Amino acid sequence: DTTVKQNPRYKLARVGKPVNLICSQTMNHDTMYWYQKKPNQAPKLLLFYYDKILNREADTFEKFQSSRPNNSFCSLYIGSAGLEYSAMYLCASSRDWGNQDTQYFGPGTRLLVL
Amino acid sequence: QQKVQQSPESLIVPEGGMASLNCTSSDRNVDYFWWYRQHSGKSPKMLMSIFSNGEKEEGRFTVHLNKASLHTSLHIRDSQPSDSALYLCAASMESGGSNAKLTFGKGTKLSVKS
Repeated sequence: DTTVKQNPRYKLARVGKPVNLICSQTMNHDTMYWYQKKPNQAPKLLLFYYDKILNREADTFEKFQSSRPNNSFCSLYIGSAGLEYSAMYLCASSRDWGNQDTQYFGPGTRLLVL
Repeated sequence: QQKVQQSPESLIVPEGGMASLNCTSSDRNVDYFWWYRQHSGKSPKMLMSIFSNGEKEEGRFTVHLNKASLHTSLHIRDSQPSDSALYLCAASMESGGSNAKLTFGKGTKLSVKS
């Protein structure tokens, strides 16, 4: 089973309010990723966990936080949502941190900030 | 400037026809290329990967890679309506670790008309 699950599938948030998105996988993968995808744009990597080590992209460093309480779960946290956060958020996982490891994606959470 | 460029943005082919999708990286540090397929409302799924120069065939799908020009192409023969999807190209580096992350293009939207 190569299923990555995401909750919720749709999220409506108010400007200035926090948002917490959840991802889970049961494949015992060491690495979990979060991407942001806006219409007509490429998926953009926000951050990833290798085991318990968090790596955040430099240009989104202060905008997103994450936690990984155990191997199976990973969250994406926005402290104060702005209109520009409206997007599809995709979670992915891979077996290891290697350059040839396939990433398996979840169905995404569509976030709309009003 | 998008580091991974895909063309065309959209493509319509008749059922049974050949679909050809292109992808080029402007980052000379990349070594590996991936093709993901995303059906509407579904998660992206890895279709094919190619890590060395040449050609790789899996059923109706063939992928080419020219490392000198950092260009890869995906060819789908005998296209079926079920092939209609967004095709995402991604590139990664050989060095692994934090460089194993995928950089995606915007995608090519393929429509196969019966």
